[in-house]
Amino acid sequence: AQSVTQLDSQVPVFEEAPVELRCNYSSSVSVYLFWYVQYPNQGLQLLLKYLSGSTLVKGINGFEAEFNKSQTSFHLRKPSVHISDTAEYFCAVSAPQGGSEKLVFGKGTKLTVNP
Amino acid sequence: DTEVTQTPKHLVMGMTNKKSLKCEQHMGHRAMYWYKQKAKKPPELMFVYSYEKLSINESVPSRFSPECPNSSLLNLHLHALQPEDSALYLCASSPRTPSGEQYFGPGTRLTVT
Repeated sequence: AQSVTQLDSQVPVFEEAPVELRCNYSSSVSVYLFWYVQYPNQGLQLLLKYLSGSTLVKGINGFEAEFNKSQTSFHLRKPSVHISDTAEYFCAVSAPQGGSEKLVFGKGTKLTVNP
Repeated sequence: DTEVTQTPKHLVMGMTNKKSLKCEQHMGHRAMYWYKQKAKKPPELMFVYSYEKLSINESVPSRFSPECPNSSLLNLHLHALQPEDSALYLCASSPRTPSGEQYFGPGTRLTVT
């Protein structure tokens, strides 16, 4: 079975500062990895995905993430955040070789960008 | 286009009512999902349909009844709900099955009184 740990439940930063949201996963098989963002009272929006290939993945809104197999991590980064990036961020993992349809989510990280 | 639509946006129902939530996608995705999300929590998987067949039921109470009339539509029929069923109900679809990325709708905010 897979599991996801998001190490920080809340991350406050100032506008235009860089940010890193940490995600570690556990799996005995190869995985697909995802980051989702959820703005208040909305659904989840796919920020970026790692399926295979290059370990540095670029997503929407200037976010990127790096897949590190040896450290089983998939941290999300943005070099300069905006007030509008304030939201809940979820890391998720799936295991295609296991044939499971399930997406396993972390508990989420609340990013608050202050002026 | 990666749009999943859900109706209604908000729903208030009594414990004796019967109502339905609707989800639609026209991206040709063959996997569709229902999730329940409580405040400040990640989504919890309820049901998965793959190629219009129910493939996963996460031990959801029978007062929730899913239906997949065709490859673009997914319904969730609600009957005799409890106040603790109040939550955001999210629908998602995926172009890859199994395990692909999922695209979520905006959700239906359900309140059970």
